[in-house]
Amino acid sequence: SAVISQKPSRDICQRGTSLTIQCQVDSQVTMMFWYRQQPGQSLTLIATANQGSEATYESGFVIDKFPISRPNLTFSTLTVSNMSPEDSSIYLCSVVLQQNTEAFFGQGTRLTVV
Amino acid sequence: GESVGLHLPTLSVQEGDNSIINCAYSNSASDYFIWYKQESGKGPQFIIDIRSNMDKRQGQRVTVLLNKTVKHLSLQIAATQPGDSAVYFCAENRPGNTGKLIFGQGTTLQVKP
Repeated sequence: SAVISQKPSRDICQRGTSLTIQCQVDSQVTMMFWYRQQPGQSLTLIATANQGSEATYESGFVIDKFPISRPNLTFSTLTVSNMSPEDSSIYLCSVVLQQNTEAFFGQGTRLTVV
Repeated sequence: GESVGLHLPTLSVQEGDNSIINCAYSNSASDYFIWYKQESGKGPQFIIDIRSNMDKRQGQRVTVLLNKTVKHLSLQIAATQPGDSAVYFCAENRPGNTGKLIFGQGTTLQVKP
């Protein structure tokens, strides 16, 4: 298994500002992902965080809005840029240790934009 | 397009009864499925998984059934307890061994004492 720590656990931000969310894993992992969970909704994949290269974004998500860093195999950051109230969601970091095995999730960062 | 859906948004059961949560998936090429439990304020927690070469898999008080013919997945919880109250998601591993998951809409399980 993997233990994933996210910071902050929650934040309230002003519109137009940016927030960087950190994800720390207790072991080296190849596959790391960021998901968004809008209020009362399911999880949607934002991007794959690639170590040493640019993240791979899913349809509907762009680097300018959600820049991602992955400096090593245990750490990643997701920035939510130029926030609007529509960005209010839970943002979740996830890792997969081996292909075709379960994903482990952090506790999430609950973001409220006012 | 690709989607994994759940039939009922809320399921209410009596403590001690069995619960069945259903899920339909659309991609016949998917080969790995996972059930997650999400409690309020927490991230999804792995419950049980099943690969496409199996029809049934049992865990502790939980059973997952896979019907590839109709692309249907179900989670059965035996002797449901108050601690089982949560939102349950099925997830489909996107074909290609990428580690990416497609989640269903979720079913809220309410356990009445």
